Amino acid sequence: DGGITQSPKYLFRKEGQNVTLSCEQNLNHDAMYWYRQDPGQGLRLIYYSQIVNDFQKGDIAEGYSVSREKKESFPLTVTSAQKNPTAFYLCASKRGDSGYYGYTFGSGTRLTVV
Amino acid sequence: GESVGLHLPTLSVQEGDNSIINCAYSNSASDYFIWYKQESGKGPQFIIDIRSNMDKRQGQRVTVLLNKTVKHLSLQIAATQPGDSAVYFCAERRNAGNMLTFGGGTRLMVKP
Repeated sequence: DGGITQSPKYLFRKEGQNVTLSCEQNLNHDAMYWYRQDPGQGLRLIYYSQIVNDFQKGDIAEGYSVSREKKESFPLTVTSAQKNPTAFYLCASKRGDSGYYGYTFGSGTRLTVV
Repeated sequence: GESVGLHLPTLSVQEGDNSIINCAYSNSASDYFIWYKQESGKGPQFIIDIRSNMDKRQGQRVTVLLNKTVKHLSLQIAATQPGDSAVYFCAERRNAGNMLTFGGGTRLMVKP
């Protein structure tokens, strides 16, 4: 079955450590997105990519980095510059053709700083 | 898993009753709207969508109503069940860039 897979489900990070969250899709979707979700808030856009080898900053990109070397993969690195990284991270993808604009979401990664 | 959205607006309904979740949007040029359901510790799941050239769209037990005059979107769930307990998000497509902008979410709690 086609879908979008995030791993790991739970991740613990020590202070000053970089960690990378994985996001893989086999839906042949062109666009991919990373969102952060905190309690009491909605989804906040970190980075997005409309096409391979290209990505754009979202609303809260500081302290994060991404790459899009393959259509299927859009990993997110949470760097030590992100001072409050504890959150639920969601990856999403979308078809590139017009007509349907909805996103397909992964099941999320919960990152905790220890 | 840990709950998200601890301070979200909450709607509490009795099992079997109908639920109405509301969403206000700000951009009159938005042409596409979508509702997602997010259960605790999981990613959002598509429920139903509607284009701006429609006022109403029905799915299985769900109906979305769009009032463009007052920029208001609602999700109606008929005969609400315990499995409907979740956080519900609306989203709108504001521009030709195909990006979705998400609302803050509403937590639905179903009492047995």
